[in-house]
Amino acid sequence: DADVTQTPRNRITKTGKRIMLECSQTKGHDRMYWYRQDPGLGLRLIYYSFDVKDINKGEISDGYSVSRQAQAKFSLSLESAIPNQTALYFCATSDLSGRPNTGELFFGEGSRLTVL
Amino acid sequence: GNSVTQMEGPVTLSEEAFLTINCTYTATGYPSLFWYVQYPGEGLQLLLKATKADDKGSNKGFEATYRKETTSFHLEKGSVQVSDSAVYFCAFSGSARQLTFGSGTQLTVLP
Repeated sequence: DADVTQTPRNRITKTGKRIMLECSQTKGHDRMYWYRQDPGLGLRLIYYSFDVKDINKGEISDGYSVSRQAQAKFSLSLESAIPNQTALYFCATSDLSGRPNTGELFFGEGSRLTVL
Repeated sequence: GNSVTQMEGPVTLSEEAFLTINCTYTATGYPSLFWYVQYPGEGLQLLLKATKADDKGSNKGFEATYRKETTSFHLEKGSVQVSDSAVYFCAFSGSARQLTFGSGTQLTVLP
């Protein structure tokens, strides 16, 4: 089983619908992240959480919200989806405690979202 | 602000050719530098890293040296294989304790 699991893996929805992407991890890491990947733009950070009570906006948080339900679960919501939110979304975890600049990110397999 | 600039792709090489993918960064302080690889249909995974100037990261035949004077971290491999076909991302970890990624370089290796 994957250490970082994302559901759903693929989703097609319509403009204006509410969508939730879920992420769960078995690595025991405190830190979790949501990125989106667009061709030619690389990965851009949407939100990140360093523990259950700590939620931070990334560079492109507008139109998104998150919930950290437990140490192992971090969900991303699109309250009213729009076509330019069509992208590949990745959840990632890390354990950077004690050495903030040397940690590695562990990624899920991605959730491909298409908004029509 | 902080940013990463990496060589645009796509890059197409024949098997056993030499590979270089350029990466330069703009950051304050002394970031750690990373190369991640994304194989088709998968998430990103760490390929190699370097945490201080002049460090060389290496893995699976790939190497990259942290050059502070040129703010670069170019990825190299002496002889690529078809199985190296993937998207490669340069990234750095700065004071905000997050990773900033480059735009990715698609590599295709032909037999």
